Amino acid sequence: QQQVKQSPQSLIVQKGGISIINCAYENTAFDYFPWYQQFPGKGPALLIAIRPDVSEKKEGRFTISFNKSAKQFSLHIMDSQPGDSATYFCAASLTGNQFYFGTGTSLTVIP
Amino acid sequence: DAGVIQSPRHEVTEMGQEVTLRCKPISGHNSLFWYRQTMMRGLELLIYFNNNVPIDDSGMPEDRFSAKMPNASFSTLKIQPSEPRDSAVYFCASRPQYNEQFFGPGTRLTVL
Repeated sequence: QQQVKQSPQSLIVQKGGISIINCAYENTAFDYFPWYQQFPGKGPALLIAIRPDVSEKKEGRFTISFNKSAKQFSLHIMDSQPGDSATYFCAASLTGNQFYFGTGTSLTVIP
Repeated sequence: DAGVIQSPRHEVTEMGQEVTLRCKPISGHNSLFWYRQTMMRGLELLIYFNNNVPIDDSGMPEDRFSAKMPNASFSTLKIQPSEPRDSAVYFCASRPQYNEQFFGPGTRLTVL
């Protein structure tokens, strides 16, 4: 059973547009929800993360929206740039040890 | 800081051969994770260590897989014997405290 479901699988956005990636989780005990960015040939890198006691976290052009009752969280990339083209993974963690990853979203930002 | 170091970056081997992947975590990090990434299954946690002790190896697919962490600065993931379905990118990650983990560049394994 997949603990974290991610959509869409791929996304194409015009430069300057908003990219939105959604994730849903099963286990209400999860207490940490990070997003990772991965470029080809590289390992995933932490982009932004949130804990379930807040509904939104913003860092620059990246925002996580968190809906605890719906067990959903999403990544919003404002003013998307070609350099944002990468694969994005959401994840959920229990006590910071066991991490469950979504299947990834391939984002392409068209100039 | 050099980050998490993995070697080799690429490995091509024949079915039945032993494969050893190596990882050097970031100095001072007390947790280490091994992941496998494939197109079909995405990113899967294989095993993780806290203070060099294996805590959860439930993600290790079969007895052919084994992992060790003899000291705080080195870990290995061994596959013996290797099979074509083991072909994947294997990532090592380390973590200093809670939650945030830093990934290495990965080892791309191809088993022919």
